[in-house]
Amino acid sequence: NAGVTQTPKFQVLKTGQSMTLQCAQDMNHEYMSWYRQDPGMGLRLIHYSVGAGITDQGEVPNGYNVSRSTTEDFPLRLLSAAPSQTSVYFCASRVSGDHGYTFGSGTRLTVV
Amino acid sequence: GNSVTQMEGPVTLSEEAFLTINCTYTATGYPSLFWYVQYPGEGLQLLLKATKADDKGSNKGFEATYRKETTSFHLEKGSVQVSDSAVYFCALRRSGSSNTGKLIFGQGTTLQVKP
Repeated sequence: NAGVTQTPKFQVLKTGQSMTLQCAQDMNHEYMSWYRQDPGMGLRLIHYSVGAGITDQGEVPNGYNVSRSTTEDFPLRLLSAAPSQTSVYFCASRVSGDHGYTFGSGTRLTVV
Repeated sequence: GNSVTQMEGPVTLSEEAFLTINCTYTATGYPSLFWYVQYPGEGLQLLLKATKADDKGSNKGFEATYRKETTSFHLEKGSVQVSDSAVYFCALRRSGSSNTGKLIFGQGTTLQVKP
């Protein structure tokens, strides 16, 4: 049982490049979310999903796309990277009901 | 709107000292409240939770009580250890949003415990 797995752990992009941050969970959790963590700002929700085929925007969705074709995977796509997207990205998942989230170990992204 | 406010850090304590990290929230209805901990270089881990007023969450010697009258969920520990050094996040999940599970986080409080 690996929990929530994020890849890569580190990435450097040039402005304008695109890439996909991968997130996979093996716990059969319905709910999955992407957060970004910036100094002094806590974690902010980018996108979330309540099940396969269902996604919705969080508070900072601009510049990011997601899809949820399977229960296990929830990739985050950066369409055209900007320096403002330099951050640490966390994927998280949980089951239904009143439970907390399980977080991945994060992806540290730098856009130059 | 819904928000979470934590005391600013860093909080620096000596080993075996008493810890309080303040957390207050603004929300409609009856949100669920959480404390998460982030150790250096790692993701967040759920530390404890409370889902209704007057509930007390506890884990690993940490406690927090859901106080609706003061809209607070302060984190406490009677005797901290060096291994408790981490960043602590208070978070809420709005009532009526259990279908989405959105968490709203505070900005985090860094705790440093010195031997």
